[in-house]
Amino acid sequence: DTGVSQNPRHKITKRGQNVTFRCDPISEHNRLYWYRQTLGQGPEFLTYFQNEAQLEKSRLLSDRFSAERPKGSFSTLEIQRTEQGDSAMYLCASSQGAGERDGYTFGSGTRLTVV
Amino acid sequence: AQSVTQLDSQVPVFEEAPVELRCNYSSSVSVYLFWYVQYPNQGLQLLLKYLSGSTLVKGINGFEAEFNKSQTSFHLRKPSVHISDTAEYFCAVTLFGGGADGLTFGKGTHLIIQP
Repeated sequence: DTGVSQNPRHKITKRGQNVTFRCDPISEHNRLYWYRQTLGQGPEFLTYFQNEAQLEKSRLLSDRFSAERPKGSFSTLEIQRTEQGDSAMYLCASSQGAGERDGYTFGSGTRLTVV
Repeated sequence: AQSVTQLDSQVPVFEEAPVELRCNYSSSVSVYLFWYVQYPNQGLQLLLKYLSGSTLVKGINGFEAEFNKSQTSFHLRKPSVHISDTAEYFCAVTLFGGGADGLTFGKGTHLIIQP
């Protein structure tokens, strides 16, 4: 297993366009998280899946954001009608349970720039 | 809800000198504690974690941290830093058993190693 994989690494889009990011977690991890990180800040929680069920969503996740994890494997995060304020690094993490065994493993992130 | 405070946004240290990065947390229930490192344009890498047991935990790259329940602190230390330790360091907590929002991060401390 090569860890958590995120694609694409970078995305530049025009304001108003839709974008979709993909995360492939560590295969045996049942939990998957999406975070957003803006410059100079720590990651902020967006949403969380346990297997295929989306169990929690942050207030940061507006109606323009949607996430899925079909079959409890990979996950996608879609942003509709992007705004300049959406520019950030989007990080995916996975864990087995609460992370007691090996913590939370993060991907390298997708850096979104909205112009 | 839990919160994390990293008291120093930036810490400059000379190469081969010791360093301590401070982290305080707030929670009404028991937590797990983590330190992550982030190199430029990369995701987060787990340095170490505290779950229970010995309050002194050792991690990768020669780092260690000490959990102090009475002071609600989890400071990170390294006896002798190297230029390659230049990075952003994040302290994070999650609730015992795993909170619904995964990890709550501090704002990070930028460790700058001066030759």
